[in-house]
Amino acid sequence: AQSVTQLDSQVPVFEEAPVELRCNYSSSVSVYLFWYVQYPNQGLQLLLKYLSGSTLVKGINGFEAEFNKSQTSFHLRKPSVHISDTAEYFCAGNAGGTSYGKLTFGQGTILTVHP
Amino acid sequence: GAVVSQHPSRVICKSGTSVKIECRSLDFQATTMFWYRQFPKKSLMLMATSNEGSKATYEQGVEKDKFLINHASLTLSTLTVTSAHPEDSSFYICSARAPSNEQFFGPGTRLTVL
Repeated sequence: AQSVTQLDSQVPVFEEAPVELRCNYSSSVSVYLFWYVQYPNQGLQLLLKYLSGSTLVKGINGFEAEFNKSQTSFHLRKPSVHISDTAEYFCAGNAGGTSYGKLTFGQGTILTVHP
Repeated sequence: GAVVSQHPSRVICKSGTSVKIECRSLDFQATTMFWYRQFPKKSLMLMATSNEGSKATYEQGVEKDKFLINHASLTLSTLTVTSAHPEDSSFYICSARAPSNEQFFGPGTRLTVL
């Protein structure tokens, strides 16, 4: 079974500083990986996804993530954060194949950007 | 991008009553929809996979008689929480899988059972 682990439950950072939100996955098959953002009392919005191809994936709002197969990681990065980036971020994956579409979510990381 | 709606966005009900939550894909047909539950300060937990025209597939530990799922058309899936109790209070989120295989999430429904 696949699991997704987000190593930090909360990440405080100052505005315009860089940020990295960490995500590790475990799987015995090829994977599809996603990062979602959730604002309070709202659903999830897709930031970016890795399906295949280039391991560096660029998403919306200036975020990017790098798929690292040897380290089984898919960390999310942004070089300069804004106050509006304050939200909860979820890493998710599925194992493809017959279970394609069933997402396994990490525990979430609350990013708080301080002025 | 594709839009998925949920109705209602918030519902408060008395213990013992049943509540129906609708999930609609507004601009695409979704043969598969998913229902998730999110506890406060917790991650999303997949409850069930809803397939149009067939029975839903429930995840381990989810009571199928309590959480009734119906996917009667290619744009609508419903989740009915039967005989709701305070422990059923939660944020319920649906997603719909587009023909591209990408999942689009609804805005969620906040259920409070008194």
